[in-house]
Amino acid sequence: ILNVEQSPQSLHVQEGDSTNFTCSFPSSNFYALHWYRWETAKSPEALFVMTLNGDEKKKGRISATLNTKEGYSYLYIKGSQPEDSATYLCASHSGGGADGLTFGKGTHLIIQP
Amino acid sequence: ETGVTQSPTHLIKTRGQQVTLRCSSQSGHNTVSWYQQALGQGPQFIFQYYREEENGRGNFPPRFSGLQFPNYSSELNVNALELDDSALYLCASSPPDRKSTGELFFGEGSRLTVL
Repeated sequence: ILNVEQSPQSLHVQEGDSTNFTCSFPSSNFYALHWYRWETAKSPEALFVMTLNGDEKKKGRISATLNTKEGYSYLYIKGSQPEDSATYLCASHSGGGADGLTFGKGTHLIIQP
Repeated sequence: ETGVTQSPTHLIKTRGQQVTLRCSSQSGHNTVSWYQQALGQGPQFIFQYYREEENGRGNFPPRFSGLQFPNYSSELNVNALELDDSALYLCASSPPDRKSTGELFFGEGSRLTVL
């Protein structure tokens, strides 16, 4: 994998249901994996920054896992609420330092009441 | 605590013109990076500034240049605008390493349209 890939591209979920989506990233020269939530007309906000293989992080109803050996991360949302509607971006940071983040195209999540 | 602010929010230019976008970093943050998000794409890293010098650059031509000022605010300059430069330009700041979790703090972006 040369780029950061996210799937699905978009997702409609019923309020109250749980959902998850995937981020695939290059496993070579890995430094960190970032997840951001981006609501319309606002700025992207960091959810998690993960560095260790097997790491799991949680913030309220949202959690994420990381597998650096195979190059993937999952984001889970439990009991979706309308305010969870947003684009979720993942980004790989390779090599550390000033290399910048490589972003995927995002998963656009719409929660239907 | 004031977050990252960018100006202008929207602007329209014609091909061949030059543009300057501005960014004020979050209080206490000394590193600023710029990203370009074209339609249907994820944000792409342009460059990063630390202590008023560029210390990292993505795959963008030299007509994309920047500055960082002593107060850590930053400018992105694009010369000889092309139609493909139409995009949302995001600025992000981050605190000194000793205080950093690695996350970036983004502004809301400047949307540039090149006609």
